[in-house]
Amino acid sequence: DQQVKQNSPSLSVQEGRISILNCDYTNSMFDYFLWYKKYPAEGPTFLISISSIKDKNEDGRFTVFLNKSAKHLSLHIVPSQPGDSAVYFCAATTYSGAGSYQLTFGKGTKLSVIP
Amino acid sequence: DTEVTQTPKHLVMGMTNKKSLKCEQHMGHRAMYWYKQKAKKPPELMFVYSYEKLSINESVPSRFSPECPNSSLLNLHLHALQPEDSALYLCASSQEWIYGYTFGSGTRLTVV
Repeated sequence: DQQVKQNSPSLSVQEGRISILNCDYTNSMFDYFLWYKKYPAEGPTFLISISSIKDKNEDGRFTVFLNKSAKHLSLHIVPSQPGDSAVYFCAATTYSGAGSYQLTFGKGTKLSVIP
Repeated sequence: DTEVTQTPKHLVMGMTNKKSLKCEQHMGHRAMYWYKQKAKKPPELMFVYSYEKLSINESVPSRFSPECPNSSLLNLHLHALQPEDSALYLCASSQEWIYGYTFGSGTRLTVV
């Protein structure tokens, strides 16, 4: 049973336009949501996160929106740049105790920004 | 130092071999993790160590054996692996605050 879902495996966007990546979750116990960017054969790189008590968090070109009632979050990238082309993973956390967290990842969305 | 360092970057091993993956961080993080990622799949949690003690084992086969010799080092010992174990193995560490969750670049393991 997939607790974090990214239903779009890929997305193509023109340079300068907005990229919107979507994520749905089923577990209401998740307390933080994170977006990671990943290149092939590299580890995920943290982009932006949002606490379950907030509905928006912004960092430069990246904004994450959380709709808790719909169990839905989205990542907006404005403006999109060719260097943003990568696989984006949505992840949700649960606290495992003693300072550790479990991350549950979605399947990822491959973003291609076309120059 | 704000990195998680994994060695080796690539490893090819036979099904009868014994090898080890190494992970190191010097950020003072007290939680360390092993994830496995197959091609076109999300990373999946294998093990969690908190304060050098194994706290979570996600039903991983015994041919994978984790070890945490000290707070900066995490090993994954491999023995009698199968070709389907070929994957990218990611190490991560975290501090008390979730924003400090940091991944290494991974070890690309191929079992032949």
